[in-house]
Amino acid sequence: AQKVTQAQTEISVVEKEDVTLDCVYETRDTTYYLFWYKQPPSGELVFLIRRNSFDEQNEISGRYSWNFQKSTSSFNFTITASQVVDSAVYFCALGGQGGYNKLIFGAGTRLAVHP
Amino acid sequence: EAGVAQSPRYKIIEKRQSVAFWCNPISGHATLYWYQQILGQGPKLLIQFQNNGVVDDSQLPKDRFSAERLKGVDSTLKIQPAKLEDSAVYLCASSGGQGRTDTQYFGPGTRLTVL
Repeated sequence: AQKVTQAQTEISVVEKEDVTLDCVYETRDTTYYLFWYKQPPSGELVFLIRRNSFDEQNEISGRYSWNFQKSTSSFNFTITASQVVDSAVYFCALGGQGGYNKLIFGAGTRLAVHP
Repeated sequence: EAGVAQSPRYKIIEKRQSVAFWCNPISGHATLYWYQQILGQGPKLLIQFQNNGVVDDSQLPKDRFSAERLKGVDSTLKIQPAKLEDSAVYLCASSGGQGRTDTQYFGPGTRLTVL
C-alpha cells in the first residue's frame, strides 16, 4: 500500500527559529516521486519541490532545504530562520504510483510562526 | 503565465441540491485533476483526465459525482444531489505532459458548504 505520514499535526515557533517538518512514506514501487506543497490561508497549493527516487542528494533553495533518505523512507523539509510568511499548512506527497500521475498526500503539518 | 483558474471560490447549498464547479487549466496542459480536500486532511484524487479522456476515476462517487472535460481544456465537476459529507474544498490541478512524473499545479479551490 502507498501511504504518506506526517506525524506532526501542528508546530509553533518564534520567528528566526529553524523548523523541520517530517515526512515518512511507504511504497512498493522502485521508481517514485516525492513532493512538498505549501497551502497558505488563501487555500491554493503551492508547489515547492519534486524529488525522484534515484536522486538522494539533498537540496537547498534559499531558506528551504530538503533531506531525502531512502534507507528510512523519509523526505524531511527544513526552514531556516523562519518568518511569519512561512505560516501555512505543508503537505508531503508521493507520486508516480500505478502508472498514472496520482498524488497521495499526507495529512499535512500546520506551521505557525509568531513574531 | 496564468495559473489554474477555478470558480466559484465559495458555494453554500442545502443538502440534496446540485452544484457545479468549473476549472480552466494552465494553457497547454494535457492532464487535469480534481481533488477533494476535507477539513484537516490532505487532498484526495477524485478524477484524472488526459486530454478529454478519463484515466482514473476510481475514487469518484459515481452515484452523485460527475465530471467532464470537453475539448480537452476546461472541466466541470458536478455533485447531484449533495450530501452533508460533501462539504470540502474542491481543488483542480493540471500538469503539462502525459507522463507519470509531471508536477501538478493547483488552482485556488472552491470551498463547498452543504447545510
